[in-house]
Amino acid sequence: AQTVTQSQPEMSVQEAETVTLSCTYDTSESNYYLFWYKQPPSRQMILVIRQEAYKQQNATENRFSVNFQKAAKSFSLKISDSQLGDTAMYFCAWRRGAQKLVFGQGTRLTINP
Amino acid sequence: EPEVTQTPSHQVTQMGQEVILRCVPISNHLYFYWYRQILGQKVEFLVSFYNNEISEKSEIFDDQFSVERPDGSNFTLKIRSTKLEDSAMYFCASSELGVGTGELFFGEGSRLTVL
Repeated sequence: AQTVTQSQPEMSVQEAETVTLSCTYDTSESNYYLFWYKQPPSRQMILVIRQEAYKQQNATENRFSVNFQKAAKSFSLKISDSQLGDTAMYFCAWRRGAQKLVFGQGTRLTINP
Repeated sequence: EPEVTQTPSHQVTQMGQEVILRCVPISNHLYFYWYRQILGQKVEFLVSFYNNEISEKSEIFDDQFSVERPDGSNFTLKIRSTKLEDSAMYFCASSELGVGTGELFFGEGSRLTVL
């Protein structure tokens, strides 16, 4: 079975700093998709960024970027110039084809003023 | 912007009672999902639904659970006889595509407390 592991239950940084959230996963598949979802205190999960495993280039979305290491099965999220609004739970997730999203345990990120 | 809406936002029930959680997915989406999150734990998949039938379900989704799309807009999760361990946040999600990078759009969740 596929598993997703986020080893950092909580992180805290100062506003404007850069922070990296870790995620590893375990799969025997070669084609799959990886996602980072953000869950602010309002509870609704929102997609932050996605990566197709067949693409070598790391995905970027404005201040958010990933470091995808397929051989190491690692998929970290970097947030640059962090803002107070980035405070949230962040979930790493894996999906293959039409299968369900498999989530990690989540990392609670706090951005301090 | 279209969004997934869920009701109720919070429900308190007695053990053994039936509960129905309701979701209105985004209107042109075809794939529907229920996930749950027990406090402090990871988000767990319950069931996916497409073309008026269950396409996949987890081992959590036993005979006490059922899903239905009764009127073409609502997507409901029913728990027939609630147990204490059913206390969790339940998230509905919908997707236009059922594959690959098809983004899942989540609702704000329904918190279920079983006493």
